[in-house]
Amino acid sequence: QVQLQESGPGLVKPSETLSLTCTVSGDSIRSDYWSWIRQSPGKGLEWIAYIYYRGRGSTNYNPSLKSRVSISIDTSKNQFSLNLTSVTAADTAVYYCARGGSSYYGLWGQGILVTVSS
Amino acid sequence: DIVMTQSPDSLAVSLGERATINCKSSQSVLYSSNNKNHLAWYQQKPGQPPKLLIYWASTRESGVPDRFSGSGSGTDFTLTISSLQAEDVAVYYCQQFYSTPYTFGQGTKLEIK
Repeated sequence: QVQLQESGPGLVKPSETLSLTCTVSGDSIRSDYWSWIRQSPGKGLEWIAYIYYRGRGSTNYNPSLKSRVSISIDTSKNQFSLNLTSVTAADTAVYYCARGGSSYYGLWGQGILVTVSS
Repeated sequence: DIVMTQSPDSLAVSLGERATINCKSSQSVLYSSNNKNHLAWYQQKPGQPPKLLIYWASTRESGVPDRFSGSGSGTDFTLTISSLQAEDVAVYYCQQFYSTPYTFGQGTKLEIK
């Protein structure tokens, strides 16, 4: 059974960098595309980015976040990660990792609440 | 960006009755090369991540009860629950994966009347 699990700090200070990791178990991370999606009361569900391991990691970013976001993959650990720089209160959300890229998302992690506050 | 607009925002339906949720995209999500509508439906219960119900607008995900069905093409789509069960109380979202950024509707909250 394939499972996704997000990890990282639940509290980040304004202007700092939010860093999250998603661990994939039950399947190889090389098997599919992988995405980050967030959910906040104000903006609802928002797709952030996706990555595929092949070719130095094929990536695609939401233009609204592109200047602050990077996504990477570690095939040796079966993990992929999200970095979001210069965070503000508007970045407070539940962050989900999910299986899928330019498609529907058939499998989601449980989500991690990240609060941006000093 | 493609804007996804759902209606209604909330809906109360009696047990055993039909529930219908609409989703309209600001541009067509029908991809000519594969003749498929790049639209999905999700169900989200409190404290849980969204769960995929329907993809390609009308293909039911494995394990999803057949009382859930999706229809529509181009810009107008519908999620129908043929006979509402208590466990169907949730928020429902549509999502387009036709073009980036992939976008979701604002959600429809479904309750029991």
